[in-house]
Amino acid sequence: AQKVTQAQTEISVVEKEDVTLDCVYETRDTTYYLFWYKQPPSGELVFLIRRNSFDEQNEISGRYSWNFQKSTSSFNFTITASQVVDSAVYFCALTDMYSGGGADGLTFGKGTHLIIQP
Amino acid sequence: EAGVAQSPRYKIIEKRQSVAFWCNPISGHATLYWYQQILGQGPKLLIQFQNNGVVDDSQLPKDRFSAERLKGVDSTLKIQPAKLEDSAVYLCASSGTPGAKNIQYFGAGTRLSVL
Repeated sequence: AQKVTQAQTEISVVEKEDVTLDCVYETRDTTYYLFWYKQPPSGELVFLIRRNSFDEQNEISGRYSWNFQKSTSSFNFTITASQVVDSAVYFCALTDMYSGGGADGLTFGKGTHLIIQP
Repeated sequence: EAGVAQSPRYKIIEKRQSVAFWCNPISGHATLYWYQQILGQGPKLLIQFQNNGVVDDSQLPKDRFSAERLKGVDSTLKIQPAKLEDSAVYLCASSGTPGAKNIQYFGAGTRLSVL
């Protein structure tokens, strides 16, 4: 069975601070994909990044960066110089890469509510 | 490119009533998913379609929930009869973009309140 743990329920920081959202996952599969999604108050989940289990390179996209460490089963997300528009709920998710029959529904964590105060 | 469309956005019903939600995926996406998101939780997969066939419905409460995707495009999710614990946001997602086939794109969801 797969499991994703986001231990931080809510984080509140002041604008321009850096913030890291933690994600720890469990899976028996050796090949899998990890994802981060953003859910603003409007409710629609917005895709941010996908990472496969073969690729442990860190990734940077503007103010966003992701640190994937297979040794600790973690896929953490850092926002540098946070802005009020970053306020949202962020979800980490996991799916098997080669599941039987093509089943690739996502297993989500409970989410971290990020509040950026002006 | 148009995103995933869902309707209605909100629905309020009494327990034991029936309700249906509609989803139109991104054009050309073969795979469609329905998720249930209870307040304060992450989304939970209910059912996955590949074209008009069911790939995974292991977490669908089949005694009261049903879903179909008859022509491999639009999909309908039905609850009959509804229970109080069915109050949640029902999210539809689709995938199938060339080069990014398992990236799921979500609609805005239908917020269901069962009284």
